[in-house]
Amino acid sequence: NAGVMQNPRHLVRRRGQEARLRCSPMKGHSHVYWYRQLPEEGLKFMVYLQKENIIDESGMPKERFSAEFPKEGPSILRIQQVVRGDSAAYFCASSSGVNTEAFFGQGTRLTVV
Amino acid sequence: QKEVEQDPGPLSVPEGAIVSLNCTYSNSAFQYFMWYRQYSRKGPELLMYTYSSGNKEDGRFTAQVDKSSKYISLFIRDSQPSDSATYLCAMSENTDKLIFGTGTRLQVFP
Repeated sequence: NAGVMQNPRHLVRRRGQEARLRCSPMKGHSHVYWYRQLPEEGLKFMVYLQKENIIDESGMPKERFSAEFPKEGPSILRIQQVVRGDSAAYFCASSSGVNTEAFFGQGTRLTVV
Repeated sequence: QKEVEQDPGPLSVPEGAIVSLNCTYSNSAFQYFMWYRQYSRKGPELLMYTYSSGNKEDGRFTAQVDKSSKYISLFIRDSQPSDSATYLCAMSENTDKLIFGTGTRLQVFP
């Protein structure tokens, strides 16, 4: 059973471009969470999704950031018009339901140049 | 004041030592408590998952939760160089949204 799969592992974008980060949850998991980790900081919650629904997006910046988890395919975190401050490691986690353990992927390291 | 406070370390111990890692928190509604281990440039790996107060043991790891003091601990017995990593505490009201500490960097030297 593969774990949570994220791709790409590393992504370089120029300022103003779009970044698309993908997350395939563990088999049997229908709950997906996105977190951001800045250097020397802990992980910060961004958004919680179930299939085709955004459950909690209280940690998402109001502009440029969006997330989806379609019926088929991976969850996507999209960052439009990236800026240098978006450079960070973005982690996806998945769980099988409410109040169960969340397992993390290896992350996507976004660098904006 | 942060919701979750964790000493960033680094904590340096000799091989075989008992390691104590701690977090304090301010939100009394937290019910779920987790410890994750994160190696450099890797994703967090779940070590311990605890609901409410009490102790939980798994191999060389013991997690303790004291909700009355808003204090959680992770003990590592017989520490090994391979335990060298950053340890993150995390907690939540219902696990839908985890609140993480900043992590404690642990170094176990031979």
